[in-house]
Amino acid sequence: GAGVSQSPSNKVTEKGKDVELRCDPISGHTALYWYRQSLGQGLEFLIYFQGNSAPDKSGLPSDRFSAERTGGSVSTLTIQRTQQEDSAVYLCASSLVAGVADTQYFGPGTRLTVL
Amino acid sequence: QKEVEQNSGPLSVPEGAIASLNCTYSDRVSQSFFWYRQYSGKSPELIMSIYSNGDKEDGRFTAQLNKASQYVSLLIRDSQPSDSATYLCAVKGPSLGNEKLTFGTGTRLTIIP
Repeated sequence: GAGVSQSPSNKVTEKGKDVELRCDPISGHTALYWYRQSLGQGLEFLIYFQGNSAPDKSGLPSDRFSAERTGGSVSTLTIQRTQQEDSAVYLCASSLVAGVADTQYFGPGTRLTVL
Repeated sequence: QKEVEQNSGPLSVPEGAIASLNCTYSDRVSQSFFWYRQYSGKSPELIMSIYSNGDKEDGRFTAQLNKASQYVSLLIRDSQPSDSATYLCAVKGPSLGNEKLTFGTGTRLTIIP
């Protein structure tokens, strides 16, 4: 079946602009996660959604970052007033449920470049 | 101390040999452990998961977990050039968050033909 999809695959923006990144999880997966991968930083957790529960936003680096998930499916990560340090690959993952043993499957990522 | 530590490499292994990748974690109560493979410019893909002490084998891959030593490893037998990638160790547990993955920085593996 179809995997996790993300769009756009690449995004170049100017410092100070807002950007929206989209994630479409695997059908039937109730948990959705956003991670960020920067050069030399590794993968870091940003936020996750589980069903209709309040999202865990503990990894968001600043209040310029926000995310929503509509209808329990598609999610949008929004970065306001982008800064050069926001340049990274933003990865979305989904799993059947959000649990300690559940496997997360990653999408292809969105490469964000802030000029 | 980082929550999940890996030797960044690069680790070079001759084709056909065994590649050994190591990972240590700081949270003693961590419960789930995952190895992901990431090719350059691609997203991580799951290789193995392990939850109990001991070995878990899947084809050419064996994951080993020792909770007392807070150590997890991945062995790749009969290494192939296609195994050349960065291998990411990831951990879940109550202190780190049962749902989110905490990653090491990855070990870059090169298989030499």
